[in-house]
Amino acid sequence: DAMVIQNPRYQVTQFGKPVTLSCSQTLNHNVMYWYQQKSSQAPKLLFHYYDKDFNNEADTPDNFQSRRPNTSFCFLDIRSPGLGDAAMYLCATSRPGQGGEQYFGPGTRLTVT
Amino acid sequence: EDQVTQSPEALRLQEGESSSLNCSYTVSGLRGLFWYRQDPGKGPEFLFTLYSAGEEKEKERLKATLTKKESFLHITAPKPEDSATYLCAVQSRGQNFVFGPGTRLSVLP
Repeated sequence: DAMVIQNPRYQVTQFGKPVTLSCSQTLNHNVMYWYQQKSSQAPKLLFHYYDKDFNNEADTPDNFQSRRPNTSFCFLDIRSPGLGDAAMYLCATSRPGQGGEQYFGPGTRLTVT
Repeated sequence: EDQVTQSPEALRLQEGESSSLNCSYTVSGLRGLFWYRQDPGKGPEFLFTLYSAGEEKEKERLKATLTKKESFLHITAPKPEDSATYLCAVQSRGQNFVFGPGTRLSVLP
């Protein structure tokens, strides 16, 4: 089945220790998104790629970076995680065009100790 | 600035007790309004897309409707397996997606 895969599902890192989360998709969608979701809150868009074009949300901290080496893969790098970065990180994909719905992966739960 | 609010924040229903969830939005040119279901510890699961006022979509016990300012998700005769958080999101002309905070639905047997 075509899908969005995120690894790992659970990640524990230490305060200030860089961490990378990965996302892959078999849907062949042009657009990929990274969201941060804290408990009982709305998913908050961090950035998205339209093909290789990178779009950073204005309020995304500089601590967060992303890479998309090809259509299938996208990575979220957190350079120096703080306690406030503990959250669920969701990857999603969509096709461009009018109201293209997003397909989400299962998420990576990040804990910062 | 695009905004989405949802009400109520939480809703408890008895099995079979129908109700509606509300999503109110302000957006600079609506390209689409989306409903998602999210189970604890999982990613959101796509339910519906609505594009224009007056449009309706149905799937099993769920029916979504859209006006120029809000959308409703009607749940008819819910079952315990319908318990989840229901998220509403809008996509603006600028193609940005904005999510609402969700409604946590609990259906008691």
